[in-house]
Amino acid sequence: ETGVTQTPRHLVMGMTNKKSLKCEQHLGHNAMYWYKQSAKKPLELMFVYNFKEQTENNSVPSRFSPECPNSSHLFLHLHTLQPEDSALYLCASSQVGARTEAFFGQGTRLTVV
Amino acid sequence: RKEVEQDPGPFNVPEGATVAFNCTYSNSASQSFFWYRQDCRKEPKLLMSVYSSGNEDGRFTAQLNRASQYISLLIRDSKLSDSATYLCVVNEWDTDKLIFGTGTRLQVFP
Repeated sequence: ETGVTQTPRHLVMGMTNKKSLKCEQHLGHNAMYWYKQSAKKPLELMFVYNFKEQTENNSVPSRFSPECPNSSHLFLHLHTLQPEDSALYLCASSQVGARTEAFFGQGTRLTVV
Repeated sequence: RKEVEQDPGPFNVPEGATVAFNCTYSNSASQSFFWYRQDCRKEPKLLMSVYSSGNEDGRFTAQLNRASQYISLLIRDSKLSDSATYLCVVNEWDTDKLIFGTGTRLQVFP
């Protein structure tokens, strides 16, 4: 059982499609993150939101567009993706200022065809 | 230089062996340290936090050396179920960011 839920768990999309990934945290945290993990590669931080404000964008292409309507929800909007964007997309949350660990959702496995 | 560095492995060890992983970090302002475990095709999960005085949880022992800026994880009496990737994670005091290492893969064989 996890306090961070991601939907969908699996997604296959064409390069011309538009889709969104959703993340919800039930832990009362004030920071949320999107990470990308390609096959046999380390975690790459994509976006950070602290108190609903985006504080980090690690040179992510504009075909990835995050949205954080409140501190419990985080979206990643996808459009005109490339096959190399196929990866596991992980959402995490933490409590900024408390120096505590982050909790991860189970991830969305994305395949771009 | 990477912010958090780990030997990627893989470490292939027999059941019952003792194995140690090291991790170095570059930001001396780092404040909190963790070891995470990630199973194949799953999300990372917290294994243990690392305290200045060192801490132990069953077969797992974590140590922190602030002067040399490294963290270690010792696993005693390895089990088949310990096979996974172990991620070193550092929380930077000045940015409050969690920085993940690339992970060390452990494979325990019968």
